Amino acid sequence: GAVVSQHPSRVICKSGTSVKIECRSLDFQATTMFWYRQFPKQSLMLMATSNEGSKATYEQGVEKDKFLINHASLTLSTLTVTSAHPEDSSFYICSARALSQPTRSNEQFFGPGTRLTVL
Amino acid sequence: AQSVTQPDIHITVSEGASLELRCNYSYGATPYLFWYVQSPGQGLQLLLKYFSGDTLVQGIKGFEAEFKRSQSSFNLRKPSVHWSDAAEYFCAVGLGGNNDMRFGAGTRLTVKP
Repeated sequence: GAVVSQHPSRVICKSGTSVKIECRSLDFQATTMFWYRQFPKQSLMLMATSNEGSKATYEQGVEKDKFLINHASLTLSTLTVTSAHPEDSSFYICSARALSQPTRSNEQFFGPGTRLTVL
Repeated sequence: AQSVTQPDIHITVSEGASLELRCNYSYGATPYLFWYVQSPGQGLQLLLKYFSGDTLVQGIKGFEAEFKRSQSSFNLRKPSVHWSDAAEYFCAVGLGGNNDMRFGAGTRLTVKP
């Protein structure tokens, strides 16, 4: 149980285009989903937290107009990188917190990640 | 400020040797503590977690971790490392309330034959 998928696993796009990444909780409902960014050989940095049906909360320094997050249902969140540039190339990982978990458990289930390369 | 520190960027051990990966946290209260493993190009897999209770926690793949409140530490151990354990290991802290999770910088484990 508690499987999170991401699609696509890899994407290459041209500079200036937009890319959408999907994050799905396959066997549970997720009240909250998180988006992380990971540069090579570095740790995960939280970009934003999204709750179903409400606006995402972005971490300091993350441009909300560039990284659009939509959490339209309890099983799907999307991250759209708008007008992508080479510096946006990174590994993007989503995670989800299950509706059934105790509020303070903090446990998150992670997707396999999406490798974005902007040419 | 709240932080998670993994002092060792890279550790090399021989197959069959014991392993200890260090993790220290700085937080006002006892946080929720996690260890994750990441293979190259992959997502994160939870090894174990500590919420409360017994301070020695058993996880998957033969890993265990011990929470030491006095030292603000949550070190990961394995008595005998296998070549398949080579990966990146992340310690993480759950901050409660807003459900944020913060990660350490990671420790890359190399296993020598």
